[in-house]
Parts: sequence; C-alpha cells; structure tokens
Amino acid sequence: GNSVTQMEGPVTLSEEAFLTINCTYTATGYPSLFWYVQYPGEGLQLLLKATKADDKGSNKGFEATYRKETTSFHLEKGSVQVSDSAVYFCALLRGGSYIPTFGRGTSLIVHP
Amino acid sequence: DTAVSQTPKYLVTQMGNDKSIKCEQNLGHDTMYWYKQDSKKFLKIMFSYNNKELIINETVPNRFSPKSPDKAHLNLHINSLELGDSAVYFCASSQGARDTEAFFGQGTRLTVV
Repeated sequence: GNSVTQMEGPVTLSEEAFLTINCTYTATGYPSLFWYVQYPGEGLQLLLKATKADDKGSNKGFEATYRKETTSFHLEKGSVQVSDSAVYFCALLRGGSYIPTFGRGTSLIVHP
Repeated sequence: DTAVSQTPKYLVTQMGNDKSIKCEQNLGHDTMYWYKQDSKKFLKIMFSYNNKELIINETVPNRFSPKSPDKAHLNLHINSLELGDSAVYFCASSQGARDTEAFFGQGTRLTVV
C-alpha cells in the first residue's frame, strides 16, 4: 500500500539556521507529492507540491525536489524564521485515488 | 470568503451525548473528507465522499456517520460520544484529481467529559 515516512520531531532550530525535514514514500505508479503546513490552532494548508519526477516545488523560501530514484521529497529552507514554527506534513496522492496519504507530521520550533 | 468552513470550532460535551459537526465548501469541489487528528498530530482519514461514493475507513466506529445533503456539504454525526473521541476533527475538500491539493477547514476541537 501507499505510505509516507517523515523524520520524527520536534526539530528545534535557531533563527536563520538551515532546515531539512526528510520525507520518503512508498507508492505504486507515479504519485503527486505535497508538503502541507499547520500553524497552531489552524487547519493544514498547502505549502508546495510536485507532480512528476525531478520537479521542484517552492514557496515562501521552502523547496522540495521529487526524487524518484530515492523515493524522497525532502523539505528545505535556507534560513528559517520564528514564524516558520509549525507542524509540517508530507503527503502523496496516487493516480486513480483521491484520498491523500499523510505522514505523521514533523513539528518545527524556531527560537529567536 | 472562507473556502472550507466548519462549525463549531469548539465543542465540549458529556459522554453518551450525540453531536454533529457541520462542514461547507464553496470551491465547487467534488470530493470531501473528514479527518481526525490526535494529540500527537497524527491525521487519520475517517471518510471520503466523491460524487455520491462514500468510502469509509473500516477502523472508524459505526457511531460516526457522514451525511451529505448536497455536494457542498459533508456533516459528521457522532452518537454515544466516548472519552476517546476527544480530538480535533478536520473537514477538507479537493477536486479529486491526482495533482490537486486538499483544502482544510479550521478544525473542530471536540472534548468529551
């Protein structure tokens, strides 16, 4: 079946540090891949996505590249801010299915 | 304009009661979902509803039932509430296509006492 594995958190960083949150997936076919962000007290919202191999999704300084050979979609940001503190979810959506599969979420805490 | 709206935002109720959470989307999407998020932030799909096809996660107790009066609404009814039902419940919608994202409501924090 489909699955998404994320690194366990929390990830604690100082402001302006480099961020990587690892995500690997298992799926048949060629899924689309997503990163969602959940700020405290809110619902999830799309951060970025990539729909085919070697695509790079980017938004708000965050980036992730769809790597089919390593079945990975790691999230990176060069310089995090306190306002980036949130829970980040990696997800996939396989063709032929309309139910996304989510990872367990990774909490990011950024200190001033 | 809120794309996916849920009411209420907070719900505190006693064990054994029956309650409903309402969800509406104004995006014209064909697919709607209900998720349960536990205290560790894990998201569990409960139901998905696509063009009148209901898919139920078999691990969801039958005390939970979705009701869709029309394409824009998918309400969640819960009978005989238990302490373990306390969680945040999210409604979401999408176009249902492979490359489209889901849009989430703000969540309903349910506390059963």
